[in-house]
Amino acid sequence: EVQLVESGGGLVQPGRSMKLSCAASGFTFSNYGMAWVRQAPTKGLEWVATISYDGSSTYYRDSVKGRFTISRDNAKSTLYLQMNSLRSEDTATYYCTRGAYGGYAYWGQGTLVTVSS
Amino acid sequence: DVVMTQTPVSLSVSLGGQVSISCRSSQSLVHNNGNTYLSWYLQKPGQSPQLLIYKVSNRFSGISDRFSGSGSGTDFTLKISRVEPDDLGVYYCGQGTQYPFTFGSGTKLEIK
Repeated sequence: EVQLVESGGGLVQPGRSMKLSCAASGFTFSNYGMAWVRQAPTKGLEWVATISYDGSSTYYRDSVKGRFTISRDNAKSTLYLQMNSLRSEDTATYYCTRGAYGGYAYWGQGTLVTVSS
Repeated sequence: DVVMTQTPVSLSVSLGGQVSISCRSSQSLVHNNGNTYLSWYLQKPGQSPQLLIYKVSNRFSGISDRFSGSGSGTDFTLKISRVEPDDLGVYYCGQGTQYPFTFGSGTKLEIK
């Protein structure tokens, strides 16, 4: 069974940093591209970043480019999102997703990041 | 960016009925490789989204044949037949053809 378990969310002050992790199991992690998708409270879905199966390629939405870094450790089957210079508009539930067929085949339960003073 | 426009914003249907949700993209979703990366997701209340349909019309593993997707280019439709109570939630279309990947704003399905 595919499982994606996010951790690392919580309350953080504007301008500070936070690192999210996603532990994957139930599939060969190193074979799949992975992504982070977020959802602000009561809002819709927003793609944040994607990383290729081997980590050689990364893509970001403009609003996080230069502030967020997606990475992965295939030996640990873990996906990361390093978030720096956080803003109030980054407040959201962050989902770890496994890519497939040009979409997001599996989703974690999400971790809430609240950026507030 | 590719803008995904979903209609209607919400709809109410009786159990056993049928509904259609429309999704239009501001640009063609046909990728250079010939595939069209249009997906449909359902987010049930209090849950993470789940993939229903990928590449326009392919049902994901375990998804009921009551769900069907169709369309091409910039115009896509999700149909749900014989609606059941468990179908309620918010439906999103999403494109994976061009970065930044984008989603529609969602359609809330309520059961009468």
